[in-house]
Amino acid sequence: AQSVTQLGSHVSVSEGALVLLRCNYSSSVPPYLFWYVQYPNQGLQLLLKYTSAATLVKGINGFEAEFKKSETSFHLTKPSAHMSDAAEYFCAVRVQTGANNLFFGTGTRLTVIP
Amino acid sequence: NAGVTQTPKFRILKIGQSMTLQCTQDMNHNYMYWYRQDPGMGLKLIYYSVGAGITDKGEVPNGYNVSRSTTEDFPLRLELAAPSQTSVYFCASRGDTEAFFGQGTRLTVV
Repeated sequence: AQSVTQLGSHVSVSEGALVLLRCNYSSSVPPYLFWYVQYPNQGLQLLLKYTSAATLVKGINGFEAEFKKSETSFHLTKPSAHMSDAAEYFCAVRVQTGANNLFFGTGTRLTVIP
Repeated sequence: NAGVTQTPKFRILKIGQSMTLQCTQDMNHNYMYWYRQDPGMGLKLIYYSVGAGITDKGEVPNGYNVSRSTTEDFPLRLELAAPSQTSVYFCASRGDTEAFFGQGTRLTVV
């Protein structure tokens, strides 16, 4: 079975500081990994995805994530936080076996301090 | 390009009432999903479908039913609403890799 753990339900950073949101996964087969962002009262929007190609994945709005198999991690980073980055971020995993469904972590709420 | 459309956006139900949450996608995706989102819990899978006429239970199916008569539509039915079903519900469809989400339905059961 696959699962996702997001460390830190709330993260606060100053505007212009590095953003680091942590995600660890558990899967017995090679996974697909995703980061989604949710702005208040909206649906989920895909930030970036890892599908077994390059391990460093670049997404929208300056975000990127690196797949590290040895650490079973897929942490999300952005060099310089902007006020508009304040949102909730979800890491998700899917494997190409069985029901092939998408499983989510519990989310991390990012606050950006001016 | 509409993507995934959910209706209604908001609804208040009384305990014991029933309702159907509608979901339509225009991307010709075979896979469709219903999730519920509760604070601090992330998204939990209620039901999913791998194509018209095929549905299956997810992690939290109790109290819900679904049908998939066409590729486009995947309605979620609540038969006897309970306070525990107060949540935000998201429908999604998936192509080869990524899933696309609707804007959500905020349901309150009182």
